[in-house]
Parts: sequence; C-alpha cells; structure tokens
Amino acid sequence: GQNIDQPTEMTATEGAIVQINCTYQTSGFNGLFWYQQHAGEAPTFLSYNVLDGLEEKGRFSSFLSRSKGYSYLLLKELQMKDSASYLCAVRPFGTDKLIFGTGTRLQVFP
Amino acid sequence: EAGVTQSPTHLIKTRGQQATLRCSPISGHTSVYWYQQALGLGLQFLLWYDEGEERNRGNFPPRFSGRQFPNYSSELNVNALELEDSALYLCASSLASLEDIQYFGAGTRLSVL
Repeated sequence: GQNIDQPTEMTATEGAIVQINCTYQTSGFNGLFWYQQHAGEAPTFLSYNVLDGLEEKGRFSSFLSRSKGYSYLLLKELQMKDSASYLCAVRPFGTDKLIFGTGTRLQVFP
Repeated sequence: EAGVTQSPTHLIKTRGQQATLRCSPISGHTSVYWYQQALGLGLQFLLWYDEGEERNRGNFPPRFSGRQFPNYSSELNVNALELEDSALYLCASSLASLEDIQYFGAGTRLSVL
C-alpha cells in the first residue's frame, strides 16, 4: 500500500525560501507529482520526478530520493500569491491513478 | 484551449437523493479520473475511465458509479446520498499515457443536508 505524509501547515515570509517535505511508504511508483491548489480552485500541476535528483522550474524545484522515500518542493523568492496548499502524490506501478498526501497549507506573510 | 470543465459548480442535495456530476476533459484527452476531496482529507481516488471503459476504482461503495461517453466526457453518479458524501469532487484528464500529467477541473462542491 501507499502512505504519504506532509506537514499540515507552514508559514513563511515574502522573499524567503521554504521547503515542503513529503515522505512516503509505497511498494513502488512510476513518478512523484507536486500540485498547487488555491482555496476553491483546481489543483494545478507543478512538477513531476521520475528519477532521483532535483528538477528545477523557475522559482520552484522538486527533489526525489527513492532510496530514502523522500521528496521536497522548494519555493524561492516567495510571493504572497504562493499562499496555497501544496499536494504531493505518487502514481503506483501499473495504474494511472494518483495517491495524494493530505497537502501542506502554506501561508506567506509580508 | 479550454481546460477541464465541471458542472455544476455547487450542488445541494438531501440524504437519500441521487447526484449527477459532469466533466468535460481537455480536447484530445481520452482518460478521465474522479477524486473526492473531503474537508481535512487529501484527494481520494474514486474512478478512472479510458476509452469508455472503467479501468480502476478506489475504495468506495458501489453507490458511487459513473460512465464515459464517446466524446470522452464523463458523469459521476452518487446514489442514496449520505451526509459524509459532502465534499469537493474533482475531475482530471490526461492523454492516457503512464508518463502523462493529470490536469484538474475546479470541481463540484456537493453538500448533503
């Protein structure tokens, strides 16, 4: 089975850097995803890691270590609009469905 | 290009009634997924349709069902509604590849009174 853990809430200051961790126990997966979800809106795709290492996309980067069962999303130069929930998800082998963590609610303060 | 669209935005029902939620995928996408997002819980996988067939279902009772039409749009039906069915129901679509990204609609907020 799969079990995905994320911190429930985090706070940070505008312009700072924040790291949102995701740990998982799973029998195997094709890839690990990060989504951003503003309140009342659709989750939007941020990143997808298949191999170990860092994937960088502008202010956002995502890291995966399969051997350690660990991923993180790194947000740099935080802006007020980054206040949202960040969802970590894995896609188990042999299926298209995504298994989600409960999400981390990030609040960015001025 | 239009994204994933869902209707209605909000739906209010009473216990025992039936609810029908609709989803139109991104043009060219053949796979549709349904997820339930209850308050305080993560997204829970409900159903996956591809090419008109149900490919997988999550750990939900049979009163949750659906279908996919020839134009790849989809319906989620929830029979004999219970209070705990109150949640945001999200639909996602993809190109039906194991490497492809799922894109989400804004969801239908179902309230069961």
